[in-house]
Amino acid sequence: GDSVTQMEGPVTLSEEAFLTINCTYTATGYPSLFWYVQYPGEGLQLLLKATKADDKGSNKGFEATYRKETTSFHLEKGSVQVSDSAVYFCALSPNNNDMRFGAGTRLTVKP
Amino acid sequence: DAGVIQSPRHEVTEMGQEVTLRCKPISGHNSLFWYRQTMMRGLELLIYFNNNVPIDDSGMPEDRFSAKMPNASFSTLKIQPSEPRDSAVYFCASSPGQGMTLHFGNGTRLTVT
Repeated sequence: GDSVTQMEGPVTLSEEAFLTINCTYTATGYPSLFWYVQYPGEGLQLLLKATKADDKGSNKGFEATYRKETTSFHLEKGSVQVSDSAVYFCALSPNNNDMRFGAGTRLTVKP
Repeated sequence: DAGVIQSPRHEVTEMGQEVTLRCKPISGHNSLFWYRQTMMRGLELLIYFNNNVPIDDSGMPEDRFSAKMPNASFSTLKIQPSEPRDSAVYFCASSPGQGMTLHFGNGTRLTVT
């Protein structure tokens, strides 16, 4: 079935480092793709999304491009901050009826 | 907008007891989802509703789990009888439908001893 696979963590970076979290998907159709973020003790929040091939989602300095040819939706940020420490989830919605999440990648940014 | 409201925030119970988790979605949202999060299995979709009707319950672990949505503003997830392996954080999320952005509650942390 439709699913996403994201890189395992944890990821530890120094402040101002470049971030990449890889995500690839498997789908029979043309799903919408998402990144969600979860801060400690809270539910997931939408970070960004893309609904069709070559779309770029962006928010708070994060961005991800929907790549149909490589079935990928990698999350990037040019300069991370301590406040970006959280768990990041890649997700897809295969038919706009439900949402499938990856396993999550824990990011820790050290000052 | 109060967001998705879940109760209780924490629940500790003994094996064999009935547990009921509650969720109030965002007003106007017509899709509601129940997820379970554990370290071992990550975030699992248990069931989702569209317009109060259960659409896919294939993620419900077994007959001990049941979910209802009697109206557009309330849903429950019940576990009877509960077992220690049910210990997890249970999230409710709602969506307006179009664009499929999910809005999550803060979760219920369930501990079954």
